Amino acid sequence: KQEVTQIPAALSVPEGENLVLNCSFTDSAIYNLQWFRQDPGKGLTSLLLIQSSQREQTSGRLNASLDKSSGRSTLYIAASQPGDSATYLCAVGGSNYKLTFGKGTLLTVNP
Amino acid sequence: DAMVIQNPRYQVTQFGKPVTLSCSQTLNHNVMYWYQQKSSQAPKLLFHYYDKDFNNEADTPDNFQSRRPNTSFCFLDIRSPGLGDAAMYLCATSREVSIQETQYFGPGTRLLVL
Repeated sequence: KQEVTQIPAALSVPEGENLVLNCSFTDSAIYNLQWFRQDPGKGLTSLLLIQSSQREQTSGRLNASLDKSSGRSTLYIAASQPGDSATYLCAVGGSNYKLTFGKGTLLTVNP
Repeated sequence: DAMVIQNPRYQVTQFGKPVTLSCSQTLNHNVMYWYQQKSSQAPKLLFHYYDKDFNNEADTPDNFQSRRPNTSFCFLDIRSPGLGDAAMYLCATSREVSIQETQYFGPGTRLLVL
């Protein structure tokens, strides 16, 4: 059974800092990996989708990397802003089409 | 230009009183999903519809049912809510049942059981 772990559970940084969020998964036989953002009391917004054949994806200040063999992904946020404050969830897609989510990292960017 | 809409955004119900949550989509996607997300937990898939075909997760309690009367709408019925059913309920859609497809999520309905 696939398990997804996100460390740290919470992270607080000053504005302007570059930061890395980590995601690990136990079964490397994945089809893809997605990073989502969730604002308090809201739904999920897809940020980046990395197919299993890819190593990384970039969108603006966000860069996500994937290392299937080691079961790890990172989400790099450059020049963080207070508006980046949210919970970031990692989800792994397996052969059964289902997404397995981690519990998320709560990010707070302080002005 | 909301694509996945959930109503209501907040729902308060009494212990044991049936409640229905609603999801609609303007994407014309074939697949609609319902997830349950408890506080500080990962979203958990309850079931999904591919068109009119219903697919239940093995560990979804019988207390949870779903209806999809047409492509655009999907309902989550909780027959006898317990205190443990208080959670955020997320609806999502995708074009096909394929892991290559992105799932689009609605804003969620937060359910409180008194």
